[in-house]
Amino acid sequence: KAGVTQTPRYLIKTRGQQVTLSCSPISGHRSVSWYQQTPGQGLQFLFEYFSETQRNKGNFPGRFSGRQFSNSRSEMNVSTLELGDSALYLCASRTGLFNEQFFGPGTRLTVL
Amino acid sequence: GESVGLHLPTLSVQEGDNSIINCAYSNSASDYFIWYKQESGKGPQFIIDIRSNMDKRQGQRVTVLLNKTVKHLSLQIAATQPGDSAVYFCAESMNYGGSQGNLIFGKGTKLSVKP
Repeated sequence: KAGVTQTPRYLIKTRGQQVTLSCSPISGHRSVSWYQQTPGQGLQFLFEYFSETQRNKGNFPGRFSGRQFSNSRSEMNVSTLELGDSALYLCASRTGLFNEQFFGPGTRLTVL
Repeated sequence: GESVGLHLPTLSVQEGDNSIINCAYSNSASDYFIWYKQESGKGPQFIIDIRSNMDKRQGQRVTVLLNKTVKHLSLQIAATQPGDSAVYFCAESMNYGGSQGNLIFGKGTKLSVKP
């Protein structure tokens, strides 16, 4: 079974731009979560979607948003990029709400 | 590869020795705990989990111990191998409406295995 896939793997943007990252969960997984990983703050939870509904949201500004489609694929969007948004963005999926999360390889976003 | 953290605590062990990685979690209401391994350039990989109604759980070459009294979690790796070299994260979670909720990650420990 294929793992969680994320596209693109690397991205370079400039301040003020917006970006959309994509995540395809493991087949059959209905929950998708997003995390931001930086050297200073470590791994921080952004949000979780289950059956197209946002279930939980972390402590991030409204510039960070996401959505989930009927096929469970998910996208996250960051508007008005700031230098501090440079990070590895990780997506994780799980079958349901009581199962372990499996992570993708991440998208490395660099904001210049 | 990806840099997953600067100035992480580092544990250096000899190949074949046992490793113990410790983690202090933050929330006494957390009831689900997981250990992840992250290699350079990859996302975190699930190792083992434990629920708060247990104090020990064993997997293949790994054991997780949970001490709720002092909010402490440890991961023991038996017969450590060079392939075990990675950054190890503990994560905690609470039930949100019946789900496991979002994961709160620790800062991570870098394990370096010397051949």
